[in-house]
Amino acid sequence: NAGVMQNPRHLVRRRGQEARLRCSPMKGHSHVYWYRQLPEEGLKFMVYLQKENIIDESGMPKERFSAEFPKEGPSILRIQQVVRGDSAAYFCASSPPSLGSYEQYFGPGTRLTVT
Amino acid sequence: SQQGEEDPQALSIQEGENATMNCSYKTSINNLQWYRQNSGRGLVHLILIRSNEREKHSGRLRVTLDTSKKSSSLLITASRAADTASYFCATYAGGTSYGKLTFGQGTILTVHP
Repeated sequence: NAGVMQNPRHLVRRRGQEARLRCSPMKGHSHVYWYRQLPEEGLKFMVYLQKENIIDESGMPKERFSAEFPKEGPSILRIQQVVRGDSAAYFCASSPPSLGSYEQYFGPGTRLTVT
Repeated sequence: SQQGEEDPQALSIQEGENATMNCSYKTSINNLQWYRQNSGRGLVHLILIRSNEREKHSGRLRVTLDTSKKSSSLLITASRAADTASYFCATYAGGTSYGKLTFGQGTILTVHP
């Protein structure tokens, strides 16, 4: 059973470009979380999705950021018109669909560098 | 308010010694979890303790929770060089059917062989 997969592992974008980060949850997991980690800081919750639904996006910046988890395929975190402040590690985590399952399984992260 | 602050920020010990890390939080919680992050890698879940539990063990790990003081500690006994990593506490406040976690800033543990 493969773990949570994220790609790319490293992504370099120039200011103004778009960044697309992908996350494939563990097999059988239908809940996906995205977190952002700035250098030398803890992880900050961004968004929680179930298949085809955004459940909680309270941690997501209102502009330029969007997330989706389609019926088929990976979850995508999309950052439009990136700025230097978007440079960070972005982690995806998944959990099983059962209620009360609060343990999360993390992917290796995508390190975004904006030049 | 900031939830989940770890103390110390960095800890350096010799192999074989015990390492203790503390976490404080501000709001009521449903459970508290500890995660490990090796340099440049994702987080690995270590242990979860519920608000009605006071202590939990897993191998060389011992976690305590004091809800009256809103604090938790993680003890790693007989540390090994492989324990070198950052350790984060994360709290789940409840109120949702999903595990929306709030992470602290972490403790960087270095274990010297």
